[in-house]
Amino acid sequence: DAKTTQPNSMESNEEEPVHLPCNHSTISGTDYIHWYRQLPSQGPEYVIHGLTSNVNNRMASLAIAEDRKSSTLILHRATLRDAAVYYCILRYSGNTPLVFGKGTRLSVIA
Amino acid sequence: EAGVVQSPRYKIIEKKQPVAFWCNPISGHNTLYWYRQNLGQGPELLIRYENEEAVDDSQLPKDRFSAERLKGVDSTLKIQPAELGDSAVYLCASSPRGQGATGGYTFGSGTRLTVV
Repeated sequence: DAKTTQPNSMESNEEEPVHLPCNHSTISGTDYIHWYRQLPSQGPEYVIHGLTSNVNNRMASLAIAEDRKSSTLILHRATLRDAAVYYCILRYSGNTPLVFGKGTRLSVIA
Repeated sequence: EAGVVQSPRYKIIEKKQPVAFWCNPISGHNTLYWYRQNLGQGPELLIRYENEEAVDDSQLPKDRFSAERLKGVDSTLKIQPAELGDSAVYLCASSPRGQGATGGYTFGSGTRLTVV
């Protein structure tokens, strides 16, 4: 599996935008970029995914670099409920399981 | 729609005792996963089912762990005997068939196991 690199932790002020980076320099052409987050005492939850183009949904936006070697998860207005561990995961186009790293622990300050 | 349901939520057992975890996936989801999450780490896959068939169990410690998914719906993960190092959160997830790389998993809230 291609690897991803994320900062161990980040901090944000409430109601400010948050940009969570992910490097994946060994990504292959068929790897999708997935983001999951895990709130305290909960299982991970799906946030967003993409292949080449930027993606938006009600939770977040995903910005993918033109060379696909990095991506950024964007939370437009952080709330205290967004405090979680965010995982960036590459997944081959086949039916392969998610492989989690350590993720980025996001703290949101009121 | 009900999510992935796991029970129990918490379990404390003495070492060498057996323990079992139960998972009810989302209705219609053919693929079921069991993950183990140690403190401060991301989840690690233990086993993946397609319907009732275990298609990937390479990470399951088969000397003490076993799993089953009868009729391709509910699943049970068992540890016998439990060791101190088995203390972790055990997560179940499901996804529809064919979602593959383009679809999301739905995880349950997990069972937190403490072995003393």
